[in-house]
Amino acid sequence: SYELTQPPSVSVSPGQTARITCSGDALPEKHAYWYQQKSGQAPVMVIYEDNKRPSEIHERFSGSSSGTMATLTISGAQVEDEADYYCFSTDRSDNDRGVFGGGTKLTVL
Amino acid sequence: QVHLVESGGGVVQPGRSLRLSCVASGFTFSSYDIHWVRQAPGKGLEWVAVISYGGAYKYYADSVKGRFTISRDSSKNTVYLQMNSLRVEDTAVYYCVRPRYSSSWYLEYWGQGIVVTVSS
Repeated sequence: SYELTQPPSVSVSPGQTARITCSGDALPEKHAYWYQQKSGQAPVMVIYEDNKRPSEIHERFSGSSSGTMATLTISGAQVEDEADYYCFSTDRSDNDRGVFGGGTKLTVL
Repeated sequence: QVHLVESGGGVVQPGRSLRLSCVASGFTFSSYDIHWVRQAPGKGLEWVAVISYGGAYKYYADSVKGRFTISRDSSKNTVYLQMNSLRVEDTAVYYCVRPRYSSSWYLEYWGQGIVVTVSS
C-alpha cells in the first residue's frame, strides 16, 4: 500500500527556520496537505494543495512540492509551533483513498 | 457554525462489533463527503474511510476494508461507521471529518473524537 515518509523529529531554536519533508511516489501528481496537531487536540490544517495557506494560519507557514517530496517550512519558528506535523495525500492509483505520513515531532527550544 | 459530534465508542472485546455515529449540524449535510480518521494511543493519524455526499461512493483503508462499513442517513444528518471483527489494533480515537469543499481532500472540520478500546 501507498506510504508517505516523514522524519520522526525535527528540532530548531526559536527564530530559526524549520523544514519538515514528506516523501511519496505519487506526490508529483497528487497534492500534499499539512496538519498541525498539538497534544490532546484535533488536527488543524496549516497548508493545503501543496502551497496554499488558510487565512487563519500565520504567514510563517509555507509549503512547497517538487518531484516526490513535499516540504513544510516554518520561517522563524516560535515556541507555540511545537507540535506534531502530518502530511496527507492520496494514492496515484487510487484517488479515493487518503494516506497520512507517520508524523514529525517539531521541537522548538 | 459547523459541528460534528461523534458517539458510540467504548470498550469492546476482540472479534465483537461497535457502531460509531457522527451527527452533523451547521451546514447542508447532503452536500459534503464525510471522512473517518483515527489515531491510536501515542501514534499518528490514519485515514479510515470516506462516504460521498450522496452516499453512492464509499472507500476504505486497506486495514479496515471488509470489516468496517461507512453509511449515512440524510434524514438524521448522521454518518455511521459500523465496525465488525474488531482487533486490538483498532483501538484509537476516531474522528469524524468534513472537507472544506464538497468532495475535496481539504479536511477542515474535525469532531472532538470518540475513544474505541478493543481489549479482552
